[in-house]
Amino acid sequence: QVQLVESGGGVVQPGTSLRLSCVASGFTFRSYGMHWVRQAPGKGLQWEAFISYDGNNKYYADSVKGRFTISRDNSKNTLFLQMHSLRPEDTAVYYCAVRLTGDFDYWGQGTLVTVSS
Amino acid sequence: SYELTQPPSVSVSPGQTASITCSGHKLGDKDASWFQQKPGQSPVLVIYQDNKRPSGIPERFSGSNSGNTATLTISGTQAMDEADYYCQAWDSSTAVFGGGTKLTVL
Repeated sequence: QVQLVESGGGVVQPGTSLRLSCVASGFTFRSYGMHWVRQAPGKGLQWEAFISYDGNNKYYADSVKGRFTISRDNSKNTLFLQMHSLRPEDTAVYYCAVRLTGDFDYWGQGTLVTVSS
Repeated sequence: SYELTQPPSVSVSPGQTASITCSGHKLGDKDASWFQQKPGQSPVLVIYQDNKRPSGIPERFSGSNSGNTATLTISGTQAMDEADYYCQAWDSSTAVFGGGTKLTVL
């Protein structure tokens, strides 16, 4: 079965950097596009970034463009989100999701990022 | 930027039909997806490409999309369907989610 496991979250100070990881299993990772989506506490879903199956196409939300970078290592079935210049408003649970037949077919359990001084 | 608008809340009695709308400019020209999220859990895809159900999603979930409005319909609503529901569509190269609708079954 499809499994997505995020990690790398934690409490960080404003202005610092953090890298999130998402390890995938149960499907052919190198064949499918992947997303990062975040959810601030008590708020709705907000899409952040997408990367194509081969890493050649990347799209970002305006709110993170230039600060966040999505990447993947198909040899390790792993998706990454490198986050720089973190702000308190980046505090959220970050989910990875896979694009199979739909678009956000399966989601991980999420990893919490808290940006606070 | 493109926006999708959902009602904050919808209430339905058990066994009745619940309809949750999602409005956006020319949304009918795009593919709409719907997600269910229960408290403390990750979102689950329930409808994609307007009206397709992923494997494992009950038949009581259906979708439509025309004009400026996409609609998620839950027939014979059960207590287990109480959750937040989000619509989603793409505008250019940006994925957009609606603000979410809390479905209460009472």
